[in-house]
Amino acid sequence: DAKTTQPPSMDCAEGRAANLPCNHSTISGNEYVYWYRQIHSQGPQYIIHGLKNNETNEMASLIITEDRKSSTLILPHATLRDTAVYYCIVGDYKLSFGAGTTVTVRA
Amino acid sequence: DTAVSQTPKYLVTQMGNDKSIKCEQNLGHDTMYWYKQDSKKFLKIMFSYNNKELIINETVPNRFSPKSPDKAHLNLHINSLELGDSAVYFCASSRTSGATLNSYNEQFFGPGTRLTVL
Repeated sequence: DAKTTQPPSMDCAEGRAANLPCNHSTISGNEYVYWYRQIHSQGPQYIIHGLKNNETNEMASLIITEDRKSSTLILPHATLRDTAVYYCIVGDYKLSFGAGTTVTVRA
Repeated sequence: DTAVSQTPKYLVTQMGNDKSIKCEQNLGHDTMYWYKQDSKKFLKIMFSYNNKELIINETVPNRFSPKSPDKAHLNLHINSLELGDSAVYFCASSRTSGATLNSYNEQFFGPGTRLTVL
């Protein structure tokens, strides 16, 4: 029972920023926003998480709207190795993966 | 050093057999999980153990039984395998269960075990 809505797919040019949107209008106050990705045939990989504030790490930035009903994952300089399914998840201790967004980075 | 490892990587077996998948994590984490990813690629949680105690048990047939001999290991035993059990099974671990206030739940996943039931 995924509580998020993501576009099914998107393309991105190599070297450009990739902005991945996610809607989570029913998020509750203590639920975090998590982003994971799954590169073909591998286990999912944690990218970033946030509660209220915007977050940045070596992989990506997470922008969360003030009302927390949506967020955007930003991959600043997409590479071919970033081609994967990206999952936006909201939850506390139990993570429910939806269908995600299939991101294809093209040369 | 592999953080979360699973064995075997591939498992092909006949219907009705009993099989086990093993998972080990060397991250010192307290919580471990089993997920199933079916042919439609949806990833669903099956079980979670925190310090060897079962904390999540989704609607999974009784034929599936997790066993945690210590907090670094969480094995999955499956009895009377059926065709519908064919899937990729992922083990994961996290530092905490994320169930306490202000704690988050960053999970590290293993490489997966592809189970094929013939």
